[in-house]
Amino acid sequence: DAGVIQSPRHEVTEMGQEVTLRCKPISGHDYLFWYRQTMMRGLELLIYFNNNVPIDDSGMPEDRFSAKMPNASFSTLKIQPSEPRDSAVYFCASRTAGNEQFFGPGTRLTVL
Amino acid sequence: AQSVTQPDIHITVSEGASLELRCNYSYGATPYLFWYVQSPGQGLQLLLKYFSGDTLVQGIKGFEAEFKRSQSSFNLRKPSVHWSDAAEYFCAVDNNNDMRFGAGTRLTVKP
Repeated sequence: DAGVIQSPRHEVTEMGQEVTLRCKPISGHDYLFWYRQTMMRGLELLIYFNNNVPIDDSGMPEDRFSAKMPNASFSTLKIQPSEPRDSAVYFCASRTAGNEQFFGPGTRLTVL
Repeated sequence: AQSVTQPDIHITVSEGASLELRCNYSYGATPYLFWYVQSPGQGLQLLLKYFSGDTLVQGIKGFEAEFKRSQSSFNLRKPSVHWSDAAEYFCAVDNNNDMRFGAGTRLTVKP
């Protein structure tokens, strides 16, 4: 298996633009997690899905952030409109129940 | 409140020396415990995990960790550090899918 795949690896955009981050979990994993990593706040869980259903989105910072999982092999995290303080590395991770999470390589987002 | 504490932000050790990275957690029950390593510009790689059973767990790259319930600790150890071990190390706790990470410990290895 190729592991968790994220795209793009790097994204540079201007304030106010819409940003869409993509994730393909490991096949057979029924949990998918989105994290944000910054120097100030470390690793934060934003939202997670189980069987494509959002279970806990309490970590989503505000309404500008939204996440979807239309099927078992694809998820998106969207920021609209983006702001400079959204600059961070965004990680996607997946797992099966009772096991560890496998992380993708991350997307480094820079909002100018 | 649930929390994970890594008291050491930055540790420097000489190559070949032993290493211990500390991790303490605050949870009502025994959660699942993990150590991950992150190299610059990379994602997180699992070093080892504790779910139940033997409290001394072995991981990859020669790492081990010991779960001590009485101290709510899960410290990571390695008897002899290699230059390639320089990275950021994260302790993590999973309590029913509520995954919390410590702030991380950055390891520098001196030649």
